[in-house]
Amino acid sequence: EVQLVESGGGLVQPGRSLKLSCAASGFTFSNYYMAWVRQAPKKGLEWVATISTSGSRTYYPDSVKGRFTISRDNAKSSLYLQMNSLKSEDTATYYCARGYYDGYYHGIWFAYWGQGTLVTVSS
Amino acid sequence: DIQMTQSPASLSASLGETVTIECRASEDIYNGLAWYQQKPGKSPQLLIYNANSLHTGVPSRFSGSGSGTQYSLKINSLQSEDVASYFCQQYYDYPDTFGAGTKLELK
Repeated sequence: EVQLVESGGGLVQPGRSLKLSCAASGFTFSNYYMAWVRQAPKKGLEWVATISTSGSRTYYPDSVKGRFTISRDNAKSSLYLQMNSLKSEDTATYYCARGYYDGYYHGIWFAYWGQGTLVTVSS
Repeated sequence: DIQMTQSPASLSASLGETVTIECRASEDIYNGLAWYQQKPGKSPQLLIYNANSLHTGVPSRFSGSGSGTQYSLKINSLQSEDVASYFCQQYYDYPDTFGAGTKLELK
């Protein structure tokens, strides 16, 4: 059974940093693209970052580019999101997702999701 | 960025009814579209990918169709467990973008 368990969320002041983690199990982690997707309270979904199987390629939307860094440790089956210079608009539940990249499209779809971890940016 | 316009924003339907949710892309996305279901307080779950392929374990009453810029999700014979929000997502090009969602309720 595919399991994705996020951790590291919490209350943080604007301008500070936070690092999220996602522990994966039930599949061969190194074979899959991985991603972070967030959802602000009572709002829709926003893609945050994607990383290739080896970690050599990463992708971000303009809203977080230069502030967030996605990384992975295939030996530990773990995904990470380093978030710097946090803003109030980064307040959201952050989901770890296993992606599927078929090589035809630039992006990926998200086949499995974790339960999410809440990040609140407030003074 | 490719904009995804989803309609309707909310929908009320009766048990057993057939429901259709639409998603329009701001440019051709060549079937690079997925549909997700999110029940209250839960994480999203994949229903459909590549516009019309059913994800493993998803009931066959869900189906996807469309091409070019126009796509739809159809739910046949609505069940009580289908009460949820539904989102479309394009992955034809970065950044991946989602529709604003459709909240489905029982009448």
